[in-house]
Amino acid sequence: KAGVTQTPRYLIKTRGQQVTLSCSPISGHRSVSWYQQTPGQGLQFLFEYFSETQRNKGNFPGRFSGRQFSNSRSEMNVSTLELGDSALYLCASSLAPQGAAEKLFFGSGTQLSVL
Amino acid sequence: EDKVVQSPLSLVVHEGDTVTLNCSYEVTNFRSLLWYKQEKKAPTFLFMLTSSGIEKKSGRLSSILDKKELFSILNITATQTGDSAIYLCAVLRNSGNTPLVFGKGTRLSVIA
Repeated sequence: KAGVTQTPRYLIKTRGQQVTLSCSPISGHRSVSWYQQTPGQGLQFLFEYFSETQRNKGNFPGRFSGRQFSNSRSEMNVSTLELGDSALYLCASSLAPQGAAEKLFFGSGTQLSVL
Repeated sequence: EDKVVQSPLSLVVHEGDTVTLNCSYEVTNFRSLLWYKQEKKAPTFLFMLTSSGIEKKSGRLSSILDKKELFSILNITATQTGDSAIYLCAVLRNSGNTPLVFGKGTRLSVIA
């Protein structure tokens, strides 16, 4: 069974641009969560979607947004990129919403570099 | 504010050594504590701990939770170079805006 797939693997953008990252969860998983990982802050929660509805949102500015489609695939968008947005963006999926899930399965992430 | 603190932040050991990684937490609505291993990019699940004092084991790795003192440890015996990775501790909450709160991780390097 295929794991969590994230595309693209690497991305280089310049300040002010916007970017869209994609995540395909494990088949049958309806919950998708997004995390930002930086060396200084570790993994920080961005948002969680379950059955196309945003269930939770972390403490990130409105430039960070996401959505989930009926097939459970999810996208996240970052507008007006800043240098500080350079990070590894990880997607995780689970059968149930995070509060009820026993564990999350992570994708390999998208490494975003903002120049 | 909810927080998960891991120590040490980095560690270098020789093959065959035994290491203990620490994780303390102050989190509301605690549900369980999870350990992940991150070798390259994707964190992979190691353990989920819900009850105090019950050791979970998988090969050379073991972990235990103390819900009274709010901490967990991850032990790795007879370390191998393949154990080199970032070990992440996370607390899963029953409710709240941030369901899963991660520590910053411990970077373990095992040298031959």
